[in-house]
Amino acid sequence: DARVTQTPRHKVTEMGQEVTMRCQPILGHNTVFWYRQTMMQGLELLAYFRNRAPLDDSGMPKDRFSAEMPDATLATLKIQPSEPRDSAVYFCASGLGQGTYNSPLHFGNGTRLTVT
Amino acid sequence: KNEVEQSPQNLTAQEGEFITINCSYSVGISALHWLQQHPGGGIVSLFMLSSGKKKHGRLIATINIQEKHSSLHITASHPRDSAVYICASDNTDKLIFGTGTRLQVFP
Repeated sequence: DARVTQTPRHKVTEMGQEVTMRCQPILGHNTVFWYRQTMMQGLELLAYFRNRAPLDDSGMPKDRFSAEMPDATLATLKIQPSEPRDSAVYFCASGLGQGTYNSPLHFGNGTRLTVT
Repeated sequence: KNEVEQSPQNLTAQEGEFITINCSYSVGISALHWLQQHPGGGIVSLFMLSSGKKKHGRLIATINIQEKHSSLHITASHPRDSAVYICASDNTDKLIFGTGTRLQVFP
């Protein structure tokens, strides 16, 4: 059963440290999304890629967040330096087609980040 | 600005009851997604629809484009249906999520 794989599942780090989260989309999916979920804001789009090209990262704090897709099997989300307000669950999702309306999304299990 | 509102926020039911969760959105969309988030945190896509009705097992999703409203129904609810149900409006890749409906089904 194909699934989106995210690592690590949990990450606890101190303020100021660099955090890297990884996502392996389902093989053949051409669209990858990064979402963040907090109790206060719910789910929010951070960035997404289609065919490895970044299409929108307007949801991301540009000064500290960066998202890349070095190849079709790996997407990364990096925070440097991390801050306590970055504590959240970060989800990666992948899909196939020209838009989310073309195919349902498949979500990874998320990375629970705690910044102290 | 597109806003998505869900109701109710919390819902408790006895096993076997018929459940309805509502979702309203404010601007035209290309599709509406229903997601299920398990107590462990994982998110599963239940439905993606742009018109009419879809059914999968005991779950039914409907959408009224003119009224900008969608409903998720669960027939013969079961404790394993306990989860948070989230609707999301889809406008060219940008999903706007509702705040979710927390459903608890008791035996």
